[in-house]
Amino acid sequence: SAVISQKPSRDICQRGTSLTIQCQVDSQVTMMFWYRQQPGQSLTLIATANQGSEATYESGFVIDKFPISRPNLTFSTLTVSNMSPEDSSIYLCSHGGQGFTDTQYFGPGTRLTVL
Amino acid sequence: QKEVEQNSGPLSVPEGAIASLNCTYSDRGSQSFFWYRQYSGKSPELIMSIYSNGDKEDGRFTAQLNKASQYVSLLIRDSQPSDSATYLCAVNINNAGNMLTFGGGTRLMVKP
Repeated sequence: SAVISQKPSRDICQRGTSLTIQCQVDSQVTMMFWYRQQPGQSLTLIATANQGSEATYESGFVIDKFPISRPNLTFSTLTVSNMSPEDSSIYLCSHGGQGFTDTQYFGPGTRLTVL
Repeated sequence: QKEVEQNSGPLSVPEGAIASLNCTYSDRGSQSFFWYRQYSGKSPELIMSIYSNGDKEDGRFTAQLNKASQYVSLLIRDSQPSDSATYLCAVNINNAGNMLTFGGGTRLMVKP
């Protein structure tokens, strides 16, 4: 599978600020996804990052709060906007194919703490 | 009812024993199922995928799927302390492309 990297690996931010997380894959992939994992919880899908078009957001997540870009088939960014302490989580990107049997592979994650 | 359910644990087993992890799902039409392992502070890593009813074996791991009863399980034989982690069950709900819904995870502790 393609290797995924994320930057930054962790950050501590002040309330009201924004943070952009980068996800880089070492080869072209069809699908890229962004997840949130709150402390002690499982993974929740935020959105599917679509190359060249607007991301597809899951219920409870909106573009104004979590704008996503995907300019090409190897790169995506997630911005967490106007942060509050409730946004403190691990943010993970993953990649996979389009078929329902295709596996998803995860990046190392970004641990975000909002003070 | 949650779409994918797991017992949160912790499940504690002695070293060398068989660990049995279970997962139930709500969408009867789901066709693909995945088990991920997540060590504390790390991202999930794929252990196995299963698509057909029955057993699928890979080394010490066996995935079992029963679509009629809507459950999928993971057996770990000869459990080792290094198997101590949270195990996440993921299901492709509604066969929505490659989108996965995760269970809450089961924490496994293997005691030497």
